[in-house]
Amino acid sequence: EVQLVESGGGLVQPGGSLRLSCAASGFTFSSYSMNWVRQTPGEGLEWISYIRSTSSATYYADSVKGRFTISRDDAKNLLYLQMNSLRVEDTAVYYCATESEGGSYSPYWGQGTLVTVSS
Amino acid sequence: DFVMTQSPDSLAVSLGERATINCKSSQSILYSSNNKNYLAWYQQKPGQPPKLLIYWASTRESGVPDRFSGSGSVTDFTLTISSLQAEDVAVYYCQQYFTTHYSFGQGTKLEIK
Repeated sequence: EVQLVESGGGLVQPGGSLRLSCAASGFTFSSYSMNWVRQTPGEGLEWISYIRSTSSATYYADSVKGRFTISRDDAKNLLYLQMNSLRVEDTAVYYCATESEGGSYSPYWGQGTLVTVSS
Repeated sequence: DFVMTQSPDSLAVSLGERATINCKSSQSILYSSNNKNYLAWYQQKPGQPPKLLIYWASTRESGVPDRFSGSGSVTDFTLTISSLQAEDVAVYYCQQYFTTHYSFGQGTKLEIK
């Protein structure tokens, strides 16, 4: 069974940093590209970052580019999101999601971890 | 940027009736070399992550009831629930994955009338 479990969320002050992790199991993690998607409370979904299966490519939404860094450790089946220079508007539930073998849609999602940026 | 716009923002439908949600892309998401539309539909219930329903605009994900169907091409797409069930109450999102910067529609909240 595919499982994705996010961790690392919490309360942080504006300008602070946080590192999210996503532990993957039940599939060959190294073979799949991965995404981070966030959802502000009561609002819609926002794609924020992508990493290719070989780590050969990463992409970011303009809203986080230069502040967030996506990475992966295939030996540990872990996906990361390093978040620096956090802003109040980064407050959201952060989900990790796999891509499919056949295309860039996401059949599997974690339950999400809440990041709150507030003074 | 590819902007995805859904309509309506909310929808109330009687049990057993048809529900239709629209999604419009600001640019074509049809890839001519493989004739595929790079569009997915997700369902999200309160407190849960999104669930994939449809991909390639019209291919139903395994395990999704056949009352859910997707249609459309190029820039205009539709998710149809043929006979609304109580468990279909949720927010529905379309997503384009045509570009390296994916984008979602703003969501359509579906309720029972």
